[in-house]
Amino acid sequence: NAGVTQTPKFQVLKTGQSMTLQCAQDMNHEYMSWYRQDPGMGLRLIHYSVGAGITDQGEVPNGYNVSRSTTEDFPLRLLSAAPSQTSVYFCASSYSDGRGETQYFGPGTRLLVL
Amino acid sequence: TQLLEQSPQFLSIQEGENLTVYCNSSSVFSSLQWYRQEPGEGPVLLVTVVTGGEVKKLKRLTFQFGDARKDSSLHITAAQTGDTGLYLCAGEGNDMRFGAGTRLTVKP
Repeated sequence: NAGVTQTPKFQVLKTGQSMTLQCAQDMNHEYMSWYRQDPGMGLRLIHYSVGAGITDQGEVPNGYNVSRSTTEDFPLRLLSAAPSQTSVYFCASSYSDGRGETQYFGPGTRLLVL
Repeated sequence: TQLLEQSPQFLSIQEGENLTVYCNSSSVFSSLQWYRQEPGEGPVLLVTVVTGGEVKKLKRLTFQFGDARKDSSLHITAAQTGDTGLYLCAGEGNDMRFGAGTRLTVKP
């Protein structure tokens, strides 16, 4: 199993450009999430999905869109990039078995917005 | 302000020493998780604790969940250089919230 894969690894954008960060998982997990990680702030939840066709907002959703058309894929779209969106983005897939949620993270996408 | 406060923010110790890091909140969580993250990689789950007062051991690492399910601690015995990394706690409520982490450096 590849686990959780993310592309691209690095991206530089100009203010106002749009782009899509790709995330895929091959573990058949229902739950998937997007986080951003900034220095001194830990990971903050952007959007999450509890299954195909279902998405919901997390702590910091503004400026981002998501969709979940399949169990495997959960792309994150930046509609009009801003310097404040410079960050490291992590996708995670997870399952819950009554003993809490077990999350698996991808390797991250490092985004710089100029 | 962070929902989960981790302390200390930074910790530098010699190999062989013991250490404890803390994760505190005013909120109650259904479960609490600890992750370790190395530079350039995603966090890796170490343990999930669910029951108030629960203690879990993973080799030299001991995790405890507070009785009220609001706080947790991670104790490392005889630290090794391979323990170096960013330790993150995360609380599961309506969604998942992370602390800012403790950056641990273990020197040889």
